[in-house]
Amino acid sequence: DIQMTQSPSSLSASVGDRVTISCRASQSFSTYLNWFQQKPGKAPRLLIYAASNLQSGVPSRFSGSGSGTDFTLTISTLQPEDFATYYCQQSYSTPYTFGQGTKLEIK
Amino acid sequence: EVQLVESGGGLVQSGGSLRLSCAPSGFTFSSYWMTWVRQAPGKGLEWVANIKQDGSEKYYVDSVKGRFTISRDNAKNSLYLQINSLRAEDTAVYYCARGRLYCSGGRCSLGYFDHWGQGTLVTVSS
Repeated sequence: DIQMTQSPSSLSASVGDRVTISCRASQSFSTYLNWFQQKPGKAPRLLIYAASNLQSGVPSRFSGSGSGTDFTLTISTLQPEDFATYYCQQSYSTPYTFGQGTKLEIK
Repeated sequence: EVQLVESGGGLVQSGGSLRLSCAPSGFTFSSYWMTWVRQAPGKGLEWVANIKQDGSEKYYVDSVKGRFTISRDNAKNSLYLQINSLRAEDTAVYYCARGRLYCSGGRCSLGYFDHWGQGTLVTVSS
């Protein structure tokens, strides 16, 4: 199974900050990497697919990059509605594993 | 508007069974891979199973193989997850999601899950 490791596990930031979340895979798989946002009591929401493609309806302050084993989600200018938990997920091979999550909190 | 509505969750004793359902709307159900993902209380996301458009291919995480069965009825516009021999560790919110293909370097596969339902809670009591 491919293991996905996110860092950091939690992060405190302020509105207006630039934030970066990392995701590392235990083996290389090109760009089969997705990012999700989840708020308490809600379903996950797809933000980025195939490492760098912005899902329709997602604000352009979200961006993704990376290939192989190292990937990054960047939020350019944090908004109040961005405080949530973020997950990376590989879709290269089953089981489609997720990272453990990064909780983004208000400083 | 794409919508997915899960149902069928509830409280069940260890060793029991449940059938979860997912009702899609707003898209041609028979044209898409579908998936189930679960989330234990306070924990992260875990992919459970996928099913191809015509039901001819199914994939499961090892921890549910032999106990869970994913199926679909395209004529009834419904996705199912039959869960048997329930264990305490199966307690979770179960989400259905629509799958999209992704092609890279001449290889196409199920790439991402773009729409999710609100989830249905399964609680297993011992």
